[in-house]
Amino acid sequence: AQKITQTQPGMFVQEKEAVTLDCTYDTSDQSYGLFWYKQPSSGEMIFLIYQGSYDEQNATEGRYSLNFQKARKSANLVISASQLGDSAMYFCAMREGGDFGNEKLTFGTGTRLTIIP
Amino acid sequence: KAGVTQTPRYLIKTRGQQVTLSCSPISGHRSVSWYQQTPGQGLQFLFEYFSETQRNKGNFPGRFSGRQFSNSRSEMNVSTLELGDSALYLCASSLGTGLTQYFGPGTRLLVL
Repeated sequence: AQKITQTQPGMFVQEKEAVTLDCTYDTSDQSYGLFWYKQPSSGEMIFLIYQGSYDEQNATEGRYSLNFQKARKSANLVISASQLGDSAMYFCAMREGGDFGNEKLTFGTGTRLTIIP
Repeated sequence: KAGVTQTPRYLIKTRGQQVTLSCSPISGHRSVSWYQQTPGQGLQFLFEYFSETQRNKGNFPGRFSGRQFSNSRSEMNVSTLELGDSALYLCASSLGTGLTQYFGPGTRLLVL
């Protein structure tokens, strides 16, 4: 079974609109971490935001927020006021075992976001 | 502070050859992880090093190996290259266990 599922292969969004990228995960661990990374065409993976499984509040980093619904096992990324520079691949990733577990990140298949002027 | 650096950025090899990729982590970071990204398999974990010790290994054949030096710089080696080894190889570093991994720009390897 897929541990990280991103069901949107591609999305087109008008500039300045908000966009939600979906991510669901599957784990039996009680302690885990969820990450979102952005990958422009250059290839580098850029860290955006992190949510720990025990964090009670949704994480926010500037225009990025993570809508964490633990019971549904979803960790959607919300980008507010999208910009042309947001066009890229976006990956959801999970690290199982909590803060003192292994460092392996399991990635989803990604969503290609295109911002339309 | 300088980010993660990887060298070389691009590499072309032929089947049967071997290759060594290098990764310099962010200053102060002691954990280095390696990932392979291909269109077919996506992003897959190769291995992770901390204080010169391999702590975790992904599901890759023994042709893939790595090491970490005392200054936390890491190298990965692929021997007897196959066409399917063509990929973007990404290195990531973190301060330590359980902390955010920051990625380098990657090395694009093409095997002919």
